[in-house]
Parts: sequence; C-alpha cells; structure tokens
Amino acid sequence: EVQLVESGGGLVQPGRSLKLSCAASGFTFSNYYMAWVRQAPKKGLEWVATISTSGSRTYYPDSVKGRFTISRDNAKSSLYLQMNSLKSEDTATYYCARGGAAPQIWFAYWGQGTLVTVSS
Amino acid sequence: DIQMTQSPASLSASLGETVTIECRASEDIYNGLAWYQQKPGKSPQLLIYNANSLHTGVPSRFSGSGSGTQYSLKINSLQSEDVASYFCQQYYDYNTFGAGTKLELK
Repeated sequence: EVQLVESGGGLVQPGRSLKLSCAASGFTFSNYYMAWVRQAPKKGLEWVATISTSGSRTYYPDSVKGRFTISRDNAKSSLYLQMNSLKSEDTATYYCARGGAAPQIWFAYWGQGTLVTVSS
Repeated sequence: DIQMTQSPASLSASLGETVTIECRASEDIYNGLAWYQQKPGKSPQLLIYNANSLHTGVPSRFSGSGSGTQYSLKINSLQSEDVASYFCQQYYDYNTFGAGTKLELK
C-alpha cells in the first residue's frame, strides 16, 4: 500500500524558515517524480515544487522560486521541502504527492498533509 | 502560464441526478488533464487522468471527456458519498489547478 506521511509543519514567524519532510513507503521511491502541493485554508490547490527521480532536476512556480527548495533522499525514501523567507501567504496545508516517470503528470497518491502557519 | 477556469464554483444536485463540472484551459493542453475529489478534512483523491481515463478503484459513474481547451467531469446517478469539492489539474505545462467546485446535495 502506498503511503506518504508528511511532518514538520507548525507555527513560524514571517521571514523565518521551516523544513517539511515526507516519508514514503509501499513503492519504489526512486522510480517516481515527487511533488509538493499546498492548499491555503478554504482555498484551492497550488503546485509548489517537483523533483526528478534522481533529484538532479527541480521545478517551481514563480510564487516560491528562490525561497523554497525541494530535495529527496532515495536511500531513505524521503522527500523534503526547505522553505525560507516565509510569508503570511505561505500559510497552507502542504501535501506530498507522487508523480510518475515524467515531470508533467497527474498525482495518483497524496499524503494527509501538514499545516504550516506563518504568523507573528 | 496556463490558466484553468473551472465552473461552476458551487453546485447543488439531488440524489440520482447527473452533474457536470467543466474546466477551460487558456491554451491547448492536449488532454493533459486530471480530476480530483476532496472531501472535507481529507487529501485530494485522483478520479480521472489523461482527460478520460478512470483511476483504479474509482466508480464507473465518474467519467471525463474533452479535448483542446475544454474538459468536463460527469457524475452519473449522484450518490451521497459524492458530496465533495472537485478540482481539475492541467499537467501539460508544469501544473495548474482549477479553483474548484463544491458539490452539495439539494
């Protein structure tokens, strides 16, 4: 059974940093692109980052480019999101999602999410 | 960037009714479209990918169609467990989600 379990969320002040983690199991982690998708309270979904199977290629929307860094450790079947210079508009539930063998693909599996609140 | 316009924003329907949700892309996305269902407090669940392919385990009352810039999700014979929010996603060019449709029972 595919499982994605996020952790690391919490309350953080504007301008500070936070690192999210996602532990994957039930599939060969190194074979899949992985992504982070967020959802602000009562709002829609927003793609945040995607990483290639080896970790050599990363993709971001303009809203987080230069502030967020996605990474992975295939030996540990783990995905990470380093978030720097956080803003109030980054407040959201962050989901880890499994992609496919290419960057442009649907997300078949999602974690339960971890809530990040940016506030002073 | 490709924009996704989803309609309607909310929808009220009766049990057994057929409902349709639409997404329009700002440019051709060549069937690179998925649909998700999200129940309150839960993570999104994949329903449809490649515009018209049913994900494993999804009931056959759900179907997707469309091409070019226009796509739709149809739910036949609405069930109580279908009350949820629905989102489209284009993945032809990076990723963009529609704003969502909240489906309620009449």
